[in-house]
Amino acid sequence: GIQVEQSPPDLILQEGANSTLRCNFSDSVNNLQWFHQNPWGQLINLFYIPSGTKQNGRLSATTVATERYSLLYISSSQTTDSGVYFCAVEGRMGNTPLVFGKGTRLSVIA
Amino acid sequence: EAQVTQNPRYLITVTGKKLTVTCSQNMNHEYMSWYRQDPGLGLRQIYYSMNVEVTDKGDVPEGYKVSRKEKRNFPLILESPSPNQTSLYFCASRNRRGGYTDTQYFGPGTRLTVL
Repeated sequence: GIQVEQSPPDLILQEGANSTLRCNFSDSVNNLQWFHQNPWGQLINLFYIPSGTKQNGRLSATTVATERYSLLYISSSQTTDSGVYFCAVEGRMGNTPLVFGKGTRLSVIA
Repeated sequence: EAQVTQNPRYLITVTGKKLTVTCSQNMNHEYMSWYRQDPGLGLRQIYYSMNVEVTDKGDVPEGYKVSRKEKRNFPLILESPSPNQTSLYFCASRNRRGGYTDTQYFGPGTRLTVL
């Protein structure tokens, strides 16, 4: 099945810094999403982005489907950005379970 | 408000005592699924359902049952819970568009402890 790798596994930032999280996937995808799991365990949708670029406030994401990777950018990080960021994909077959990467654990310190 | 709800949010039980975790969504989504999350193992899918009366096993279905009698509800049943089922459980739903699916939404999670 499709493989999803995220990097880096852990990241520590000073408040105000910028960061880039990467998601590589092994096959063509119909669906790619980024999620944030906050310290209370909730999984929050960030982006649905099988291709192209989207922005939402300080966060933006780009997926280059032909090269099988996606990037999540966090600018001017805040302590509330801490948590784990997951990338998840659905293969081209469609109507199949989302496959999750192992996540990037981000800690933003004041 | 569009949402996925789960109940209970926290549950401590004993080995062998049957339990059900309910899941409901109000977005008219066809596709629903259950995950468990364990430290070091990430999110693993237990069961999923592409529509009413259609369910399929995910990666870790042993010890679990599901049913999909109505579009909005997808309960997870543990007939005889064991300590290795202690975990954080998430229900999720998403819409289907032709041959692929749309944004997935998660419930708030159920933290289960089996003693």
